Amino acid sequence: GQQLNQSPQSMFIQEGEDVSMNCTSSSIFNTWLWYKQDPGEGPVLLIALYKAGELTSNGRLTAQFGITRKDSFLNISASIPSDVGIYFCAGQGNTGNQFYFGTGTSLTVIP
Amino acid sequence: NAGVTQTPKFRVLKTGQSMTLLCAQDMNHEYMYWYRQDPGMGLRLIHYSVGEGTTAKGEVPDGYNVSRLKKQNFLLGLESAAPSQTSVYFCASSYLSSDQPQHFGDGTRLSIL
Repeated sequence: GQQLNQSPQSMFIQEGEDVSMNCTSSSIFNTWLWYKQDPGEGPVLLIALYKAGELTSNGRLTAQFGITRKDSFLNISASIPSDVGIYFCAGQGNTGNQFYFGTGTSLTVIP
Repeated sequence: NAGVTQTPKFRVLKTGQSMTLLCAQDMNHEYMYWYRQDPGMGLRLIHYSVGEGTTAKGEVPDGYNVSRLKKQNFLLGLESAAPSQTSVYFCASSYLSSDQPQHFGDGTRLSIL
């Protein structure tokens, strides 16, 4: 199956710091999604991106659809303790109905 | 609105037993999906459905069967459970097309002994 490389695997940051994570694929995608998963729960959609170069914000979160269509980025500004969780990217290309998911970035925010 | 509801939340099975996981959505979504989540592997698609009465294989379909007899329900079956199927299973649904964001349930934690 399609491999999505998500980095970093984990992050430990101080409250108030900004966070950046990214996702890359070996093939072109038409749609990128970013999800957050809290322990014991299902992933919750944060941001959806549909155009190359698109920059979309959701509160303190900003995500970008890479110009090459092979990558996407998620930034979190001024992190707070409730940002703790695992962040997943997901991408969909031209073939089929399937989204492919990254392996996740685990975020820990130290108060 | 309940959104996507998965039943049961936890289950322990012995090798060789069978069971069915139930997913129900109340959002009138056409598309439904079953994923498994394993440590370090992200979410992998098992089977999906693009509408009532349809099913299709995903990335890791072996050992699983699915049925979509009603639009709001998507069943995942394990005919003969194996320890390799120990995982957390997530159901998701999306509206009219496959590029729409998927809404997830809270998961079923399944252990096969």
